[in-house]
Amino acid sequence: EVQLVESGGGLVQPGGSLRLSCAASGFTFSTHWMYWVRQVPGKGLVWVSRINSDGSSTTYADSVKGRFTISRDNAKNTLYLQMNSLRAEDTAVYYCARAGYNSGWHYFEYWGQGTLVTVSS
Amino acid sequence: QSALTQPASVSGSPGQSITSSCTGTSSDVGNYNLVSWYQHHPGKAPKLIIYEVNKRPSGVSNRFSGSKSGNTASLTISGVQAEDEADYYCCSYAGSDTFIFGGGTKLTVL
Repeated sequence: EVQLVESGGGLVQPGGSLRLSCAASGFTFSTHWMYWVRQVPGKGLVWVSRINSDGSSTTYADSVKGRFTISRDNAKNTLYLQMNSLRAEDTAVYYCARAGYNSGWHYFEYWGQGTLVTVSS
Repeated sequence: QSALTQPASVSGSPGQSITSSCTGTSSDVGNYNLVSWYQHHPGKAPKLIIYEVNKRPSGVSNRFSGSKSGNTASLTISGVQAEDEADYYCCSYAGSDTFIFGGGTKLTVL
């Protein structure tokens, strides 16, 4: 059974940093692209970032580019999101998701339950 | 990039069919057959129900179907059931390994 468990969320002050983790199990982590998606409470889902299977290629939404860094440790089956220079508008539930592959890595096949990040003074 | 446009809410009685739309642009929905749909019960993990416009993952009920015409994708739920009450999000590939989601539609089963 595929399991994705996020951790690392919490309360942080504006301008601060936080690192989220996503522990993966039930599949061969090193062969799948992975994503981060966030949801502001009461609002819709927003794609944040993606990383390819060996970590050599990453992409970011414009709203987090230059502040967030996605990475992975395939030996530990863990995905990360380093978040720096946090702003109030980064307050959200952050989900990790495993990519699905058919004609390409173009959908979010499995999701974790999310971890809440609150940016506030 | 603005979110894909979804109606805020749709509703239907048990057994009815409902269709919800997802409108993008020629740069996303209209340019790629790479629209996916997700069911989200608040507090739980979102669930993939449709990928690549009209493909259903194994284990997803055949009551869920997807289609696309031009810049608009649609999700149809046939024979709506109480357990289908949830938020539904569309998502489109937008090129260069980026994605754009819709604002979500809340389905109410009357």
